[in-house]
Amino acid sequence: SQTIHQWPATLVQPVGSPLSLECTVEGTSNPNLYWYRQAAGRGLQLLFYSVGIGQISSEVPQNLSASRPQDRQFILSSKKLLLSDSGFYLCAWCPPTGVNSPLHFGNGTRLTVT
Amino acid sequence: GDSVTQMEGPVTLSEEAFLTINCTYTATGYPSLFWYVQYPGEGLQLLLKATKADDKGSNKGFEATYRKETTSFHLEKGSVQVSDSAVYFCALIDPLSGSARQLTFGSGTQLTVLP
Repeated sequence: SQTIHQWPATLVQPVGSPLSLECTVEGTSNPNLYWYRQAAGRGLQLLFYSVGIGQISSEVPQNLSASRPQDRQFILSSKKLLLSDSGFYLCAWCPPTGVNSPLHFGNGTRLTVT
Repeated sequence: GDSVTQMEGPVTLSEEAFLTINCTYTATGYPSLFWYVQYPGEGLQLLLKATKADDKGSNKGFEATYRKETTSFHLEKGSVQVSDSAVYFCALIDPLSGSARQLTFGSGTQLTVLP
């Protein structure tokens, strides 16, 4: 069966520090991968998605970047965090085929920028 | 573009009460529809789905029917429990979104069930 792992679960970082959040998927090949952010008390915002190694699409201009160095690894980064980067970050995957396949989410990373 | 509109929360119910959370959508194509649930401090879990008109998705006592004529996918449960307290998200995938297959989410509805 397929599983998705995100880490760390929680993170407290000062303003101006770098960020690296990692997400890996097991039990599938060539998945579509996604990063979402959920601000406190608000809905989900799609940040990045990837349909293959090295292929990254950005949905909104921001202080963050994403990379996919391996087939089942998706990394969210920042060189200098802002207070507004605080939130709950969720990684998700779905199979590369099957138009009705839902997304499957990790347990999320709670990021607090101080 | 595609959008999902959910019932405003928060919703507070007593245990064993009937639950309805309204969800309507707009989409360019013929979307697949989903309900996700988020328990406190956790990620999103798929609750149920429907992929064509008049399909009924069901899971854990929750149900939702894909109504193309009213572009709706309302979530219902006949008797809620305290353990159902969570945030519920309605979402769609538009097949015209191509290989990216992006989920469009509603804003979420916070449900609190009191004993």
